[in-house]
Amino acid sequence: KNQVEQSPQSLIILEGKNCTLQCNYTVSPFSNLRWYKQDTGRGPVSLTIMTFSENTKSNGRYTATLDADTKQSSLHITASQLSDSASYICVGFTGGGNKLTFGTGTQLKVEL
Amino acid sequence: ETGVTQTPRHLVMGMTNKKSLKCEQHLGHNAMYWYKQSAKKPLELMFVYNFKEQTENNSVPSRFSPECPNSSHLFLHLHTLQPEDSALYLCASSQDEGGATEAFFGQGTRLTVV
Repeated sequence: KNQVEQSPQSLIILEGKNCTLQCNYTVSPFSNLRWYKQDTGRGPVSLTIMTFSENTKSNGRYTATLDADTKQSSLHITASQLSDSASYICVGFTGGGNKLTFGTGTQLKVEL
Repeated sequence: ETGVTQTPRHLVMGMTNKKSLKCEQHLGHNAMYWYKQSAKKPLELMFVYNFKEQTENNSVPSRFSPECPNSSHLFLHLHTLQPEDSALYLCASSQDEGGATEAFFGQGTRLTVV
């Protein structure tokens, strides 16, 4: 069964600090992994997409890593801002059956 | 904005009401999706349309009825809903069906069934 597990469930950090969100996935056959940012009451917005051949991908202050051997991904946020407060969702895509498997998300709150 | 527009943004309806959610995409995509997002749960795929044809119904109760008149518009007709159907309903589109290409989400409709 395809699964995506994220940790922590929630996180509070001070503005300007860095943080790392974790994602463990069991998606087979694996095709790509995505990270989405979802502001409260809004739809998810894509941050990165990585295939199995990519180890890291950046989008501004967001850097995602992928370890296809251990089936782990992380999202690192640098110099956090108040606007980074959101839910971050990890999503695995399997080419077999064209399925997206969503994690439950990490709720990040950035405080002054 | 993502190019996918959903209306209304908020909806409160009684269990005996009939209402419809609307989704429109201006991206020229061929595939459109309905998702349900409940608190503390992952997004749940409900329906998939590809070139206006329904290609997936993920065991959704018949009180949810989708309609796709063309590749740019998608509706979700609601009738005799239950309180547990209260959730954020998200529409998405992608160039091709599945997840190989980027999916763009609308802002969602926050549905409350009373």
